[in-house]
Amino acid sequence: KNEVEQSPQNLTAQEGEFITINCSYSVGISALHWLQQHPGGGIVSLFMLSSGKKKHGRLIATINIQEKHSSLHITASHPRDSAVYICAAHFGNEKLTFGTGTRLTIIP
Amino acid sequence: GAVVSQHPSWVICKSGTSVKIECRSLDFQATTMFWYRQFPKQSLMLMATSNEGSKATYEQGVEKDKFLINHASLTLSTLTVTSAHPEDSSFYICSARRGQGEQYFGPGTRLTVT
Repeated sequence: KNEVEQSPQNLTAQEGEFITINCSYSVGISALHWLQQHPGGGIVSLFMLSSGKKKHGRLIATINIQEKHSSLHITASHPRDSAVYICAAHFGNEKLTFGTGTRLTIIP
Repeated sequence: GAVVSQHPSWVICKSGTSVKIECRSLDFQATTMFWYRQFPKQSLMLMATSNEGSKATYEQGVEKDKFLINHASLTLSTLTVTSAHPEDSSFYICSARRGQGEQYFGPGTRLTVT
């Protein structure tokens, strides 16, 4: 069964802290997405990756194919990073399977 | 990055009426578009997949006669909620993909049926 699990479900941190959100999946995938959803609801695609590591500004995404695990890191976190972060995996077909999301709150 | 827009961003309609939501890929041609539904504090649920010029493929449990999807061009897909009922109130999100590339998500449309 194609499953995607995220941890933690909720994360509260102080401004400036280094943040890590984890995502594990059940079987081999062709690609994994990290998405950001703000309270207003709109979704932003942060990364799509199938191997290695990608970096954009303060965001870093890594994936370990052998361990079936991906992480999203935020350096020097800021209150505007507060959002729900979702990982979603392509299990070789058209559909994305979504994790349940990690609600991140950064306190000033 | 690529931009996908949705219109309207929010809509309130009366029970029994129909509502059309547009999804546009603004700077690329989307061979495939996806429509999702999201209830509060829940994850996105795929409703249907549409390829330009062909009929949409609906997920199990999604009524094709109630949620009409048209993907008439490589930059536009529409979702029409017919004879809307209060239980159709939800957040509807589209995404677009070119070939086997990355999916780009629209900002979503919040539908409230009174």
